[in-house]
Amino acid sequence: DVVMTQTPVSLSVSLGGQVSISCRSSQSLVHNNGNTYLSWYLQKPGQSPQLLIYKVSNRFSGISDRFSGSGSGTDLTLKISRVEPDDLGVYYCGQGTQYPPTFGSGTKLEIK
Amino acid sequence: QVQLKESGPGLVQPSETLSLTCTVSGFSLTSYGVNWVRQPPGKGLEWMGTIWNDGSTDYNSALKSRLSISRDTSKSQVFLKMNSLQTEDTAIYLCAREALNYGGFDYWGQGVMVTVSS
Repeated sequence: DVVMTQTPVSLSVSLGGQVSISCRSSQSLVHNNGNTYLSWYLQKPGQSPQLLIYKVSNRFSGISDRFSGSGSGTDLTLKISRVEPDDLGVYYCGQGTQYPPTFGSGTKLEIK
Repeated sequence: QVQLKESGPGLVQPSETLSLTCTVSGFSLTSYGVNWVRQPPGKGLEWMGTIWNDGSTDYNSALKSRLSISRDTSKSQVFLKMNSLQTEDTAIYLCAREALNYGGFDYWGQGVMVTVSS
């Protein structure tokens, strides 16, 4: 199985600030068809995960442009700019390139 | 709009079988796959299995011997059955729609907490 390693485990940021979360995979996430099926999810406290980013850098419907994804191969990053109170929660990366789908262990974002 | 909602017992005895239902609306099960994902308390996400739009299934190899996913398209329902439950199966169980061409899960249910205890 593809192991997804997220760093940091947690981070604290001031409102209006910017943060980056790293996700590294144990194998390349480039599919035979050329796509990289790496998604980012946010799980707000007491809620189920919600899709933020798919295929590395595509924002899902209704997601603010403050969220951006980048990277390639085995090294992917989520950047959140102009952090707002509603951004707090746990962020997960997840890969769908190779079966079974796997997730990172999460990064908890706290607001200072 | 797209909605998924899990239902089932909150408490299951050790060694018993878990049966959960995911009722969907806003889309057809013959057009989208549905996944089951679980999350132990305070922990991360574990993919359990998928039932695809054609009715075929894929399972996490660690659970395959205990897990079965099926559906009733006329009722827009997906079913999970897992036998021989142990305390480590205590988790929130979520169903999530397979996003077409995204390689991820675009809509999730609220989840149902299942506790395995005598």
